[in-house]
Amino acid sequence: NAGVTQTPKFQVLKTGQSMTLQCAQDMNHNSMYWYRQDPGMGLRLIYYSASEGTTDKGEVPNGYNVSRLNKREFSLRLESAAPSQTSVYFCATSGGVSLYQETQYFGPGTRLLVL
Amino acid sequence: AQSVTQLDSHVSVSEGTPVLLRCNYSSSYSPSLFWYVQHPNKGLQLLLKYTSAATLVKGINGFEAEFKKSETSFHLTKPSAHMSDAAEYFCVVSDGGSYIPTFGRGTSLIVHP
Repeated sequence: NAGVTQTPKFQVLKTGQSMTLQCAQDMNHNSMYWYRQDPGMGLRLIYYSASEGTTDKGEVPNGYNVSRLNKREFSLRLESAAPSQTSVYFCATSGGVSLYQETQYFGPGTRLLVL
Repeated sequence: AQSVTQLDSHVSVSEGTPVLLRCNYSSSYSPSLFWYVQHPNKGLQLLLKYTSAATLVKGINGFEAEFKKSETSFHLTKPSAHMSDAAEYFCVVSDGGSYIPTFGRGTSLIVHP
């Protein structure tokens, strides 16, 4: 089992370009999350999906959109990239219905540089 | 609202000596608390979690943490550090109020030979 996979691993964009970060899981988990990690800031939640067909904003949603394509896949889209979106992006999943007690399982991350 | 504070941004120890990584939290509900570890250029992995059962929680690789409600703390300890413990450690709080986990800013553990 691959667990949680993310593509691409690295990406360089110019300001104003768009791109989609892909996340897929084979753990049959209900909930999926997108975080960004910046130095000294920990991880901050961008969007999450508690179940297939639902999405909700997290702490820092501005400039991003998400799609829960099916139970396995959760994508993050940057419509017009800005240098402030330079970061490492992590996808995570959790399996239960009690969101606040569940262990999260993380992908390896996508490093994004916006010039 | 929930919040979490990791009291040290860096902790430096010698191999074989004890490790203490400090975490204080704030929550209006009964919280769940987690410690995750991140090795360089990797994703995060769960070390241990507290979800209102036993207050002393044992995790992987010899780590443990004690939930102290009176002190609003959830410090991570290990009796003897190993070189492979060098990593970034994150304390996380989550409760029934918001359901969204809040991460601390991280503590970098440095282990000297």
